[in-house]
Amino acid sequence: SYVLTQPPSVSVAPGKTATITCGGNTIGSKSVHWYQQKPGQAPVLLIFYDSDRPSGIPERFSGSNSGNTANLTINRVEAGDEADYYCQVWDSNSDCAVFGGGTKLTVL
Amino acid sequence: QVQLQESGPGLVKPSQTLSLTCTVSGGSISSGSHYWSWVRQPAGKRLEWIGRVYSDGSTTYSPSLKSRVTISVDTSKNQFSLKLSSVTAADTAVYYCARHGVASLFYFDYWGQGTLVTVSS
Repeated sequence: SYVLTQPPSVSVAPGKTATITCGGNTIGSKSVHWYQQKPGQAPVLLIFYDSDRPSGIPERFSGSNSGNTANLTINRVEAGDEADYYCQVWDSNSDCAVFGGGTKLTVL
Repeated sequence: QVQLQESGPGLVKPSQTLSLTCTVSGGSISSGSHYWSWVRQPAGKRLEWIGRVYSDGSTTYSPSLKSRVTISVDTSKNQFSLKLSSVTAADTAVYYCARHGVASLFYFDYWGQGTLVTVSS
């Protein structure tokens, strides 16, 4: 089955830029979606179709996808951005959703 | 505003069947514009997709859980349900219901709050 690989943790100072990667074999040929999950809460859709934002998601959050890596970029990081971030694709071969292992963002 | 709410026992004994229901409000399952999924998350671990159901009752399951999972829909009650048989401690997790669109709109835009199910004797 398709595997998505994320770094377990990323740390960033407030006001700086954080980049969270999601690796997968030719992931650039798939649509990648990103979710933010705060402790004790359900995931929230952050980015869909690689780089689109649902209404209500700040422009500070952006995404890109090419080759074997998709990226979630958070500009001007705030303390409130501390959360776990998950990437997700649909694996057409097995017809199922696949999630990455998640990345814990720590704001220093 | 669409809302999803999970319900069911929080404690299940090993070897028994876990049963959960998701009630949808603010939208109709029978509209046919979405799939309805179950996703679980063991403590401190990644999200795991379990399977989905469409308004006509057709289902797709995760290959790793397929032999133990049944997902069904009751459009008259605007609910869909999960049954997971022969549970073990490894099935202890927060279980979420969620929806995604059709026609390649395979991202989860609405989620329930989640319900913790513990497998223990």
